[in-house]
Amino acid sequence: AQSVTQPDARVTVSEGASLQLRCKYSYSGTPYLFWYVQYPRQGLQLLLKYYSGDPVVQGVNGFEAEFIKSNSSFHLRKASVHWSDSAVYFCAVRLASSSFSKLVFGQGTSLSVVP
Amino acid sequence: DPKIIQKPKYLVAVTGSEKILICEQYLGHNAMYWYRQSAKKPLEFMFSYSYQKLMDNQTASSRFQPQSSKKNHLDLQITALKPDDSATYFCASSQDSAYEQYFGPGTRLTVL
Repeated sequence: AQSVTQPDARVTVSEGASLQLRCKYSYSGTPYLFWYVQYPRQGLQLLLKYYSGDPVVQGVNGFEAEFIKSNSSFHLRKASVHWSDSAVYFCAVRLASSSFSKLVFGQGTSLSVVP
Repeated sequence: DPKIIQKPKYLVAVTGSEKILICEQYLGHNAMYWYRQSAKKPLEFMFSYSYQKLMDNQTASSRFQPQSSKKNHLDLQITALKPDDSATYFCASSQDSAYEQYFGPGTRLTVL
């Protein structure tokens, strides 16, 4: 069965510092990969997605992620974080061969950006 | 304007009662989904619908019944509520030619 692991439940970084949130997946087929962000008391917002092609994908607000197939990873990065980036970030995967297949989510990483 | 509307935003129910969670999407999508987020588990998939037909059901309990009266509606009826049903329920939608799902703001259900 497919699964997604986000090994860091909580991450604290200083404003202006760089960020990497880790995501590893276990999947038998070709995965489509996503990062979502959830701000307090809100729904999930799509940050970026990877389907195929260039393994580095750009998202909103300066976020990017790199798909490394050999490592089954899809880590999220940002060069310089802002206090408004404080939120919970979810990595998700779905089966490429079905348009309506479910998203499988990781446990989420709670990011705190401190002054 | 919000593209996916979920009503109500908060819901308190007593054990054994029945509630309906409402979801409407105005993105023109033909696929809709329900997910559940609780303190004990990560976001977990419940149902998917396409053109008002059930595509996938990962919910073990028949107490959860999706209802699609219109193409852009997918309500969730929950009967015989239990405290373990307390969670935030998210509706999502996607276009069949794309693969990303867009989420609504959620309904936070508390069962006492």
